[in-house]
Amino acid sequence: DSGVTQTPKHLITATGQRVTLRCSPRSGDLSVYWYQQSLDQGLQFLIHYYNGEERAKGNILERFSAQQFPDLHSELNLSSLELGDSALYFCASSVGAGPTYGYTFGSGTRLTVV
Amino acid sequence: AQRVTQPEKLLSVFKGAPVELKCNYSYSGSPELFWYVQYSRQRLQLLLRHISRESIKGFTADLNKGETSFHLKKPFAQEEDSAMYYCALRSNAGNMLTFGGGTRLMVKP
Repeated sequence: DSGVTQTPKHLITATGQRVTLRCSPRSGDLSVYWYQQSLDQGLQFLIHYYNGEERAKGNILERFSAQQFPDLHSELNLSSLELGDSALYFCASSVGAGPTYGYTFGSGTRLTVV
Repeated sequence: AQRVTQPEKLLSVFKGAPVELKCNYSYSGSPELFWYVQYSRQRLQLLLRHISRESIKGFTADLNKGETSFHLKKPFAQEEDSAMYYCALRSNAGNMLTFGGGTRLMVKP
């Protein structure tokens, strides 16, 4: 167990629907990062939050949004789902926000859009 | 823009053979490079980071700035090394990682 908890582990939903993925960082970590792993795009950085504030955005679609709550857990909201959104969504956490901080990945949420 | 390239999608070797997984990068500054391993589509686990210059599970990697490479090597592959390996680059402007496309290593008995 890495200490980073992601729920649910698996999610199957239909096109056009909306889902919420949840991530609880390791105790003491203030940063949360979201990554998408798909067969055609590989591993891509989506977004980074530090202590409740958005710090960096990567290749995140406008249909996707995220936030980090006061208790430091984060949620990734995916709406108007398309077949191509099927992927493994990873969250990672680190103590700080800068490049000197290593981070730890969770086990991921596997999203299947049918 | 930063980019990481892993030219081989699949590398198949026999147990006991040497292994080299290639990684090339492009980045204008001083990069920090990592190797991550993923077993059976589970979570990514850090294998190596270039600044620590350590050997984990018999794997080593050397940063070659002249060739912009960070190849992962192991002299004698084991069956339990079979996994997906990702090379990643972290810029000094932030803490997000840019990953290569990954190489699947299959070690045959």
